[in-house]
Amino acid sequence: QKEVEQNSGPLSVPEGAIASLNCTYSDRGSQSFFWYRQYSGKSPELIMFIYSNGDKEDGRFTAQLNKASQYVSLLIRDSQPSDSATYLCAVNSGNTPLVFGKGTRLSVIA
Amino acid sequence: NAGVTQTPKFQVLKTGQSMTLQCAQDMNHNSMYWYRQDPGMGLRLIYYSASEGTTDKGEVPNGYNVSRLNKREFSLRLESAAPSQTSVYFCASSWGQGPSYEQYFGPGTRLTVT
Repeated sequence: QKEVEQNSGPLSVPEGAIASLNCTYSDRGSQSFFWYRQYSGKSPELIMFIYSNGDKEDGRFTAQLNKASQYVSLLIRDSQPSDSATYLCAVNSGNTPLVFGKGTRLSVIA
Repeated sequence: NAGVTQTPKFQVLKTGQSMTLQCAQDMNHNSMYWYRQDPGMGLRLIYYSASEGTTDKGEVPNGYNVSRLNKREFSLRLESAAPSQTSVYFCASSWGQGPSYEQYFGPGTRLTVT
């Protein structure tokens, strides 16, 4: 059973701070990793993906992958109240559907 | 370009009634998926279709059936609704199922079974 684990939160950070969201996965053969953002009452939307070990930056977002530790994280710099949402980690291995974590709820306090 | 569309947006059923949730995508994607999302449970895969003409069970298929009508459309049917099927249902699509393919989600259907 492939598993993706996330702390459910809520993770509370002050406006302007760095929010760090973490995800671990069980399948060592996992090849690609996705972060989705889901606002309350809305559908998940893709914000980043990463395939290789190391960091990948896109604006205020940085995804970090460590395959040896089976760990992927999302950093949000200069957090804004509009970043308050649930962040879902999803993992893909081989030709199978994505496996989603249950999500971490982020609250950015103004 | 509407992306992934779902109908209806909201539905209330009585126990034992049947209904079909509709999903369509205009991105020429090959793979389509149905999820349900319940508080504290995350997204759970019900059924998926890797390509036109194929369907496979996901994590929670019991009580549901699906039809991949054509490349664009993938429907989810509840034959005899139960209160345990009260949930938010999301349809998603992707170009393929390999590691490089992200999924795009529809707006969801909120279903209540009384």
